[in-house]
Amino acid sequence: AQSVTQLGSHVSVSEGALVLLRCNYSSSVPPYLFWYVQYPNQGLQLLLKYTSAATLVKGINGFEAEFKKSETSFHLTKPSAHMSDAAEYFCAVSASTGSARQLTFGSGTQLTVLP
Amino acid sequence: ETGVTQSPTHLIKTRGQQVTLRCSSQSGHNTVSWYQQALGQGPQFIFQYYREEENGRGNFPPRFSGLQFPNYSSELNVNALELDDSALYLCASSWGLRGGGTDTQYFGPGTRLTVL
Repeated sequence: AQSVTQLGSHVSVSEGALVLLRCNYSSSVPPYLFWYVQYPNQGLQLLLKYTSAATLVKGINGFEAEFKKSETSFHLTKPSAHMSDAAEYFCAVSASTGSARQLTFGSGTQLTVLP
Repeated sequence: ETGVTQSPTHLIKTRGQQVTLRCSSQSGHNTVSWYQQALGQGPQFIFQYYREEENGRGNFPPRFSGLQFPNYSSELNVNALELDDSALYLCASSWGLRGGGTDTQYFGPGTRLTVL
């Protein structure tokens, strides 16, 4: 079975500082990995995805993530935080359930950006 | 291009009642997945429909059921509602082949269900 662990349920950074959200995965097969963002009272928006091509993946809004197989990690980064980045972030792994591919999510990291 | 839409936005039911939630998939997508997101948690996979057939199911009881229609829209039905069913229900659409495809799922805004 696949699983995802997000380290740190709450992360606070100052505006303009580096954002680093941690995600480690467990998978018995080469994984597909995703980062989604959720703003209050909204659904999930795809930030970026890794599907076995380049290990450094660039997404929307200046975010990027690096797939490191040796560390089973897929951490999300952004060089300079903006107030609008405040939201909850979910890491997910795509797993096969019989004939379906389901997303297995971590428990989420709430990002606060301080002025 | 129209994104994923869900209705209703909010719903309040009492324990023991039945509820139907609706989802319209993104144009060109043939697969719909449903997730339950309890407060403060990540979404949990309920089931997936591919071309009108159930194509995989998570660890949810049979009182959670669904349908997919020829236009690829979908319904989630929950019978005998329990208090723990209170959650945000998310629908996601994707284009896929059975067991394969791009795997990228695009989510709707969700339906907030409250069970009293």
